[in-house]
Amino acid sequence: DTEVTQTPKHLVMGMTNKKSLKCEQHMGHRAMYWYKQKAKKPPELMFVYSYEKLSINESVPSRFSPECPNSSLLNLHLHALQPEDSALYLCASSQESQSNEQFFGPGTRLTVL
Amino acid sequence: GENVEQHPSTLSVQEGDSAVIKCTYSDSASNYFPWYKQELGKRPQLIIDIRSNVGEKKDQRIAVTLNKTAKHFSLHITETQPEDSAVYFCAATVQGAQKLVFGQGTRLTINP
Repeated sequence: DTEVTQTPKHLVMGMTNKKSLKCEQHMGHRAMYWYKQKAKKPPELMFVYSYEKLSINESVPSRFSPECPNSSLLNLHLHALQPEDSALYLCASSQESQSNEQFFGPGTRLTVL
Repeated sequence: GENVEQHPSTLSVQEGDSAVIKCTYSDSASNYFPWYKQELGKRPQLIIDIRSNVGEKKDQRIAVTLNKTAKHFSLHITETQPEDSAVYFCAATVQGAQKLVFGQGTRLTINP
C-alpha cells in the first residue's frame, strides 16, 4: 500500500457538532501531518506527529485536537468550529530522519454551517 | 524563518511549448526543494525535488534547477500537454526539519 487515505471525503457540520477526520497510511512512515488548505492557497501546516508524539503545533486553536493512536493512524477531532474553518483538510506522511518527501492524502472537504 | 516567493501566479502556454515557474527562498540553510502538482479537487502530488548538493535534476519532460548563490530554483516543463494543467507549488525546507514552507502557487493552463 503506497497511499495515504482519508475519511470522510466530505463533511458538513454545524458549529455545535463534534466530528473527527481520519487518516491512515501503511507505508511505515513515522511522521504524519495535518494541513489546512483554503481555495487558491497553498497547504498550511497545522500539526506534525513524529513517532506518535506531537512535535509541531502551529498555534492551532484548541477547537482542533489531533490524536495519533498508532504509527499508521492520525485523527483530527473537531469541536465548536467556525464557518471560517471550512477548508480542505489534508493529511500527509513521510519517513522520519533524512527524508522530507511528504505524501498527501486526498483530503476531507469540510464545510461548517 | 523561511519565506518562499513564487512567480508567476498564473501562466498560460500553448500545447507543445515550454513552461517555467520560478521560486526564491530566504533561508540559506534550506537544502531541500520539492515541487508539487495539484489538479482541481485532487491531492498535491510530489512531481520532482532537488537537494542542495546538485544544480539540476531531470525526469522526462520536467526538470528543476537550483541556484544556491542567488537562492532561487525553477521548474521547467517541456513539450507541455493538456494534462499538465494544474496548480504547481514549490516549497523549501531544511532536510529533516519536517516543516515545508510553500510558495503561493502557479496556476498553469495549457491551451490546445
